[in-house]
Amino acid sequence: TAGITQAPTSQILAAGRSMTLRCTQDMRHNAMYWYRQDLGLGLRLIHYSNTAGTTGKGEVPDGYSVSRANTDDFPLTLASAVPSQTSVYFCASSETSGESTDTQYFGPGTRLTVL
Amino acid sequence: GQNIDQPTEMTATEGAIVQINCTYQTSGFNGLFWYQQHAGEAPTFLSYNVLDGLEEKGRFSSFLSRSKGYSYLLLKELQMKDSASYLCAVRDSNYQLIWGAGTKLIIKP
Repeated sequence: TAGITQAPTSQILAAGRSMTLRCTQDMRHNAMYWYRQDLGLGLRLIHYSNTAGTTGKGEVPDGYSVSRANTDDFPLTLASAVPSQTSVYFCASSETSGESTDTQYFGPGTRLTVL
Repeated sequence: GQNIDQPTEMTATEGAIVQINCTYQTSGFNGLFWYQQHAGEAPTFLSYNVLDGLEEKGRFSSFLSRSKGYSYLLLKELQMKDSASYLCAVRDSNYQLIWGAGTKLIIKP
């Protein structure tokens, strides 16, 4: 089982350009999440989706958008990239979102550099 | 505000025992998680505590005291492959995970 895949693995992007980070899971999990990880900071939630067709804003949603057309895919789009969006982006999923025991499983990450 | 505190870095010797502490202040509590993250890789789940006490899983144990807002991860019989960052996360009243910055554990031979 692949679990969660992310693409691309890494990317260098010019400021002002748009980009979509892809995330696909094959575990039939209902909930999916996008985090960014920056040196010295904890993982910060960008957007989440509790089930297909619904999305919500996390702690740092500005400059990012998401969609959840089906269970498996949860793409993250940067409409006009800025250097402060340079980070490592992790996609995660969990079976549900409303149970205290829900464990999140992470994809391998996308390293994005905005110049 | 919500806050998770962990030491930034710890060093231990192969074969020894190390305890990584985590203190938290969050709006509500619905469980505490520990994850391991090797450099350049994704976080992987280690343990979960929701009730006070010790949960043991092989060489790794995790302890929780909800009244003190405190947890620790105990790693025994340290191996070189345990060199990694260890992330503490608390599920808040909205069922979102609040993450600490992680503790980088360096194992020396």
